[in-house]
Amino acid sequence: GIQVEQSPPDLILQEGANSTLRCNFSDSVNNLQWFHQNPWGQLINLFYIPSGTKQNGRLSATTVATERYSLLYISSSQTTDSGVYFCAGNQAGTALIFGKGTTLSVSS
Amino acid sequence: DAGITQSPRYKITETGRQVTLMCHQTWSHSYMFWYRQDLGHGLRLIYYSAAADITDKGEVPDGYVVSRSKTENFPLTLESATRSQTSVYFCASRDTINEQYFGPGTRLTVT
Repeated sequence: GIQVEQSPPDLILQEGANSTLRCNFSDSVNNLQWFHQNPWGQLINLFYIPSGTKQNGRLSATTVATERYSLLYISSSQTTDSGVYFCAGNQAGTALIFGKGTTLSVSS
Repeated sequence: DAGITQSPRYKITETGRQVTLMCHQTWSHSYMFWYRQDLGHGLRLIYYSAAADITDKGEVPDGYVVSRSKTENFPLTLESATRSQTSVYFCASRDTINEQYFGPGTRLTVT
């Protein structure tokens, strides 16, 4: 099955800093999503991005499908950005395969 | 409220008891899913359903039963709970472009 690798596993930032999170897939995917799991455990949809670039406020994402990776950019980070960021993908449209996540801690 | 809801949000039960976790979505999405999240394993699929009365196993189905008599509901039953089923359970549904949306989760502890 597909393997999903995320890096870095942990990230500690000061408020206002920028960061880039990476997700590599072992095989091509038709569906790719980024999630933020907040400290209360909720999984929040950030982007549905099987290819191309999208932006939503301070967050943006780019997926290069031919090279099987995706990047999540967080600019001007805030303490509320803390949590775990997951990427997940699939080929056949059923089970999402999740990476192990990047744990982000933003301090003021 | 629109969206996907789960109940209960927290549950403590004893080994051997039957437990049912509820999932309800208001979008009329055809596909629904149950995942469990465990430290060291991430999120893994338990069961999914492509439509009412159509269900199929995922990666870790043993010890679980699902049903789907109505499009909007997808209950997950642990027939005889074991300590290894202590986990956080997430229900999800999928829209027509394949984006999945997750419920708030149920934290289950089996003592």
